[in-house]
Amino acid sequence: AQTVTQSQPEMSVQEAETVTLSCTYDTSESDYYLFWYKQPPSRQMILVIRQEAYKQQNATENRFSVNFQKAAKSFSLKISDSQLGDAAMYFCAYRTSQGGSEKLVFGKGTKLTVNP
Amino acid sequence: DGGITQSPKYLFRKEGQNVTLSCEQNLNHDAMYWYRQDPGQGLRLIYYSQIVNDFQKGDIAEGYSVSREKKESFPLTVTSAQKNPTAFYLCASSPDPSYNEQFFGPGTRLTVL
Repeated sequence: AQTVTQSQPEMSVQEAETVTLSCTYDTSESDYYLFWYKQPPSRQMILVIRQEAYKQQNATENRFSVNFQKAAKSFSLKISDSQLGDAAMYFCAYRTSQGGSEKLVFGKGTKLTVNP
Repeated sequence: DGGITQSPKYLFRKEGQNVTLSCEQNLNHDAMYWYRQDPGQGLRLIYYSQIVNDFQKGDIAEGYSVSREKKESFPLTVTSAQKNPTAFYLCASSPDPSYNEQFFGPGTRLTVL
């Protein structure tokens, strides 16, 4: 079974600085999807960024980018120019590409604090 | 506005009572999901449905039941058999089971007294 590990329960960053959140996963599959979701205090889950495993190029969405290391099974999230609104729980998630098993497997999350 | 609605936002029940959480979507999505979130934990899948009148157990289905009589609705019943029902429950949907993104509702906080 696939597992997702986020080793940093909490992180903090100064406003306008850069922070990297770590995520590792375990799978025997070669094709899959990886996601970072943000959960602000409202508790609404918001997709931040996604990566297809077959793509070597790292995904980027504005100030958010990932460092996808397939061989190392690592999928870190970098937030540049951090803003107060970035404060939230961040969850890394894995999804198989095999039909019939469309569930998302989540890590336990990293709580990000942004200091003014 | 298209989206996923969950009601109520907060729900209180006495121990031993069954309770049903609502999840409705007007996105015309085929697939719908129920997740449970506990403090310090990620989301865990309870049940999912790929199509009307069909659903599958997730990782923690014991003590829960679902139905999918309509495409837009996927209610979750928390039964008295669920040992620790107090949690935050999130509903999600996707256009079809193969779509690689799930869209989440705002969640329901269930507290069993």
